[in-house]
Amino acid sequence: DTGVSQDPRHKITKRGQNVTFRCDPISEHNRLYWYRQTLGQGPEFLTYFQNEAQLEKSRLLSDRFSAERPKGSFSTLEIQRTEQGDSAMYLCASSPGTGGRQPQHFGDGTRLSIL
Amino acid sequence: TQLLEQSPQFLSIQEGENLTVYCNSSSVFSSLQWYRQEPGEGPVLLVTVVTGGEVKKLKRLTFQFGDARKDSSLHITAAQPGDTGLYLCAGLTTDSWGKFQFGAGTQVVVTP
Repeated sequence: DTGVSQDPRHKITKRGQNVTFRCDPISEHNRLYWYRQTLGQGPEFLTYFQNEAQLEKSRLLSDRFSAERPKGSFSTLEIQRTEQGDSAMYLCASSPGTGGRQPQHFGDGTRLSIL
Repeated sequence: TQLLEQSPQFLSIQEGENLTVYCNSSSVFSSLQWYRQEPGEGPVLLVTVVTGGEVKKLKRLTFQFGDARKDSSLHITAAQPGDTGLYLCAGLTTDSWGKFQFGAGTQVVVTP
């Protein structure tokens, strides 16, 4: 069990640029979540996948945000035309199944800084 | 407005003291999870509670889920410096299959 892996750990970019983050979940975990966390706040739900299907998206996920999980394994989160307000920690989590009893295993996040 | 309100926001205590943090909502949850997060790392799951009135113990940590499944508490006995961290509660509402809502967290600092 190698844990949830996120890449890169840090990303610094200029406003207006596009960025893409990758998440590799724990092997055979069929649920994958994306969250955003800003300083002093808890993680905010962005979206989640059941295998390759994206089942729910937050209203926070504007048109500039898109997430994919093409083969039900790794996932990518892309932000287009980044804005200052996008600066945050982006967290990925995976869980082994459905239901509220299932533990979410979090990666250590990608910290995005917009100049 | 957060669905889950955590209190207090910050708690600083001496080693050996007890502490309680709270997680409250007007919504009913089918399950509620508690996590601890340290700087630069992702949250780590401590416990999941699903039954109203449920009490779970994890060494010096005691978790309680309210009878109406709208609130929860975490009590730490004889706190140690290693208990320092951001404690987060996350709830799954009864109308959702997978969208967990997190509170803003309680930052706990335990000094030797």
